[in-house]
Amino acid sequence: GDSVTQMEGPVTLSEEAFLTINCTYTATGYPSLFWYVQYPGEGLQLLLKATKADDKGSNKGFEATYRKETTSFHLEKGSVQVSDSAVYFCALSVTSGTYKYIFGTGTRLKVLA
Amino acid sequence: DGGITQSPKYLFRKEGQNVTLSCEQNLNHDAMYWYRQDPGQGLRLIYYSQIVNDFQKGDIAEGYSVSREKKESFPLTVTSAQKNPTAFYLCASNTPGWSNQPQHFGDGTRLSIL
Repeated sequence: GDSVTQMEGPVTLSEEAFLTINCTYTATGYPSLFWYVQYPGEGLQLLLKATKADDKGSNKGFEATYRKETTSFHLEKGSVQVSDSAVYFCALSVTSGTYKYIFGTGTRLKVLA
Repeated sequence: DGGITQSPKYLFRKEGQNVTLSCEQNLNHDAMYWYRQDPGQGLRLIYYSQIVNDFQKGDIAEGYSVSREKKESFPLTVTSAQKNPTAFYLCASNTPGWSNQPQHFGDGTRLSIL
């Protein structure tokens, strides 16, 4: 069935370090892919999205490329800040018969000053 | 600005009591969703509705009920049958059928047992 797998957290980095959070997916049809961010005590906010293979989504210095050949959508940022500390969720949506929206389990990022 | 409003932000339930969580959206979205989030966990789908007067069970519907009488409103009732209701509840909405549309989320309601 359709699924999203994220790397286990927490991920702890020093400020200005390079960030990668891995996300792989399994889906029938042609999914759209999303990254969301959740700050403590808040709902999820859309960070970026990509709707077809080889698309690159980007926002606030974060990037992710839709790789169909490896079924991946890894989140990257070149230089993290303390304010990036949050939980990051990878998600997919697909319409293949029925409409599905599936979230990964989330990866907690902690950035130290 | 358009968005999703959840209320209250914090809610306490006594044993044997039903409580209702409010979710209102002014984004003109057809579909609305309720998720449960436990500490350190991902999101689990409780119920969803793709159109007024229609809704479907998600993965963990037992002990919960919903209604969808208006497009903009999708309240969730946590009944006394839900034995472990302490969690963070998130409401979301989007336009279904177009798979490139993200879900928009409210700020959540945190439910605790007294």
